[in-house]
Amino acid sequence: SSELTQDPAVSVALGQTVRITCQGDSLKDYWPSWYQQKPGQAPILVIYTKNTRPSGIPDRFSGSTSGNTASLTITGAQAEDEADYYCNSRDSSGNHVVFGGGTKLTVL
Amino acid sequence: QVQLQESGPGLVKPSETLSLTCTVSGGSISRDYWSWIRQPAGKGLEWIGRIYTSGSTNYLPSLKSRVTMSVDTSKNQFSLSLSSVTAADTALYYCARELGSTSAFDIWGQGTMVTVS
Repeated sequence: SSELTQDPAVSVALGQTVRITCQGDSLKDYWPSWYQQKPGQAPILVIYTKNTRPSGIPDRFSGSTSGNTASLTITGAQAEDEADYYCNSRDSSGNHVVFGGGTKLTVL
Repeated sequence: QVQLQESGPGLVKPSETLSLTCTVSGGSISRDYWSWIRQPAGKGLEWIGRIYTSGSTNYLPSLKSRVTMSVDTSKNQFSLSLSSVTAADTALYYCARELGSTSAFDIWGQGTMVTVS
């Protein structure tokens, strides 16, 4: 399968922990990456290659993978974390890139 | 630091060819993978394809018959051509740099809106 599936929407109370998931067969073979996208802005890479944060990404963002499910965890969600989050990885052939449908995170 | 800037017509007629260029500044285009990604209004991200600076390419299978990518290392640019466009190709088009061959895109352009009408 070349698809990555995400829940369309997730909410979290301010300061609490939230997990955003991404499912797909290719995740058994390839590391996922995670992006944050705010309205009117280009996506920003927040996690890649297992659990690596690019420079400038707060350490409250972390990633993990188990079997065919990848997770992005935000520990102590802040108001500025409200955004759309996308996962991506290679497809099962390894030759193409696929994105999940995105998860809209609301911070209450 | 490396920055990307998309350029090209914002309006394309149906059945014609969409052509976009991404200019890389602040660094060399060499030895990296470069991708095009699009996003219809209110929808998710769709990877279109990528090109390595050697010229080798990978395209999304569903678009492969209509997509051509090229690279001009002397100008630090890479380009996208999408033929026989329809309204379904209306989207915000991004160019992006891939970290190694990880499928992680660490640098994105600001995006350019293309309307097919």
